[in-house]
Amino acid sequence: EIVLTQSPATLSLSPGERATLSCRASQSVSSYLAWYQQKPGQAPRLLIYDASNRATGIPARFSGSGSGTDFTLTISSLEPEDFAVYYCQQRSNWPSTFGQGTKLEIK
Amino acid sequence: EVQLVESGGGLVQPGGSLRLSCAASGFTFSSYSMNWVRQAPGKGLEWVSYISSSSSTIYYADSVKGRFTISRDNAKNSLYLQMNSLRDEDTAVYYCARGRDYAPWGQGTLVTVSS
Repeated sequence: EIVLTQSPATLSLSPGERATLSCRASQSVSSYLAWYQQKPGQAPRLLIYDASNRATGIPARFSGSGSGTDFTLTISSLEPEDFAVYYCQQRSNWPSTFGQGTKLEIK
Repeated sequence: EVQLVESGGGLVQPGGSLRLSCAASGFTFSSYSMNWVRQAPGKGLEWVSYISSSSSTIYYADSVKGRFTISRDNAKNSLYLQMNSLRDEDTAVYYCARGRDYAPWGQGTLVTVSS
């Protein structure tokens, strides 16, 4: 089973700042990595698929990069609605696995 | 509008059974694979099961293999998860999610396993 490790566990930033979230895989997942956003009491929402492709309706301030074992989700300028928990997920191998999440909180 | 609506959750005793449903609308259900993902209270996401569009390919997480059964009825635009021999650790919100890209997700249904 591929283990995904997200860092940091918690990220404290202010609106307008740049956020950089990391996801590292225990073995190569090629580009089969997705990012999700989850707000309290809501279902997760797909942000990025295949490492760098924005899902439909996702603002351009969200971008993904990386391949192999190291991936990054960048939010260029934080909006108030961006403060949430973010998960990465690999679909390279079964079972599909998720990272433990990064909580992005308001500083 | 693409929509997924889960139902069937509730309180069940350890060792009991429950059947979850996911009703799909707004898209051609028979063209998409489907997934079940769960989230224990205050915890992260755990993939549970996958079924291909024709039901020809099915996968399960080791934690539920032999106890849970995924199925679908393309004529009814519905996905199911039969859960048997439930354990305390199966307590979670269960989500269905569409396709290889897991988009969208339903709102979830809470399963509580407790005596």
